[in-house]
Amino acid sequence: EVQLVESGGGLVQPGGSLKISCAASGFSFSGSTMHWVRQASGKGLEWVGRIRIKRDNYATTYAASVAGRFTISRHDSKNTLYLQMNSLETEDTAVYYCTRQRGYVRGEFDSWGQGTLVSVSS
Amino acid sequence: DIVMTQSPDSLAVSLGERATINCKSSSNNENYVAWYQQKTGQPPKLLIYWATVRESGVPDRFSGSGSETDFTLTISSLQAEDVAVYFCQQYFGSPLTFGGGTKVEIK
Repeated sequence: EVQLVESGGGLVQPGGSLKISCAASGFSFSGSTMHWVRQASGKGLEWVGRIRIKRDNYATTYAASVAGRFTISRHDSKNTLYLQMNSLETEDTAVYYCTRQRGYVRGEFDSWGQGTLVSVSS
Repeated sequence: DIVMTQSPDSLAVSLGERATINCKSSSNNENYVAWYQQKTGQPPKLLIYWATVRESGVPDRFSGSGSETDFTLTISSLQAEDVAVYFCQQYFGSPLTFGGGTKVEIK
């Protein structure tokens, strides 16, 4: 069974940093492109970014709203995905989901974690 | 960026009746469109991918149709457990983008 479990969310002050994690199991993590998607309370879904697999040099792509502030990384031997968030703004307050892309070049998100809440407030 | 415009924002349908949700893409996305269902307090769940392919385990009352820039999710006979917010998504171009969501309720 595919499982994605996020952790590390919490309260952080504006301008601060936070690193959240996603532990994966039940599938070939090293063979999967992984994404982060966020959702502010009562709002829609916003794609944050993705990281490809080793064969693609772990290439990353980000939404314009987080580019230069957020960094996605992965540790394949630990089956773990990370999101390092710097220079956090109140607008970054959201539940952050990690998701698995099915398919190599393009793919729908067939598995989602339960999410971890990041709150940015003074 | 490819903008996905979803309509309506909400709809109320009687049990057993049809619910139809539309999604219009600002450009041709080669049918790389998915639909997700999100119930309160839960993460989204994949229902439909590649515009028309039902995900394994999804009831056949859910169907996707459309092509190029206009896509539709249909629930043929609404059940109580279908109360949720539904999102469309394009995964053809970067950034990946979602529609604003449609809240489906029981009339």
